[in-house]
Amino acid sequence: GAVVSQHPSRVICKSGTSVKIECRSLDFQATTMFWYRQFPKKSLMLMATSNEGSKATYEQGVEKDKFLINHASLTLSTLTVTSAHPEDSSFYICSARGSSSGDNEQFFGPGTRLTVL
Amino acid sequence: AQSVTQLGSHVSVSEGALVLLRCNYSSSVPPYLFWYVQYPNQGLQLLLKYTSAATLVKGINGFEAEFKKSETSFHLTKPSAHMSDAAEYFCAVSLSPFGNEKLTFGTGTRLTIIP
Repeated sequence: GAVVSQHPSRVICKSGTSVKIECRSLDFQATTMFWYRQFPKKSLMLMATSNEGSKATYEQGVEKDKFLINHASLTLSTLTVTSAHPEDSSFYICSARGSSSGDNEQFFGPGTRLTVL
Repeated sequence: AQSVTQLGSHVSVSEGALVLLRCNYSSSVPPYLFWYVQYPNQGLQLLLKYTSAATLVKGINGFEAEFKKSETSFHLTKPSAHMSDAAEYFCAVSLSPFGNEKLTFGTGTRLTIIP
């Protein structure tokens, strides 16, 4: 149990376009989802925390208008990278937490590799 | 604020040898500590966590870690390395024992197993 999926796993887009990444909890209801960004050979940096039905809380330095997060249901959160630029190329990972997932542990998705040309 | 430092971005051990991955933490309050493993192009999987119940924590795949307050450390060990242990390992700290609050990650240690 406690499986989190992400779609797509890999995406290549042109500079200036927008890209949407989906994060789904497959077998539990995720009251909270987290979005991380991982640079090559670097650690995970928390971008934002989203609670179902409310606005996401962004970490300092993360542009809200650039990285749009929507958590419209208990099983789905989306991250939209708007007007993407090459510097947005990265590995984006989501995690999900739900009251039914045992001791409220965070479960991580497999990640989405974004390449902006 | 809390932080973790992982010493050694890359560790190589021979198959069957002891694995030791180092993690030191900094926290203004009693921390909760985690070790995660990441295989290539995959998300993170929880190996083990310290939630103040016991200082020696046993996790999956034969890994264990010991919380040492005096040394502010939470090193990860495994007595005998297996080829399947090759991966990236992250230490993380949280103010919550369940990891449902913000997790602060270290920079990771890539473990290579030499046949």
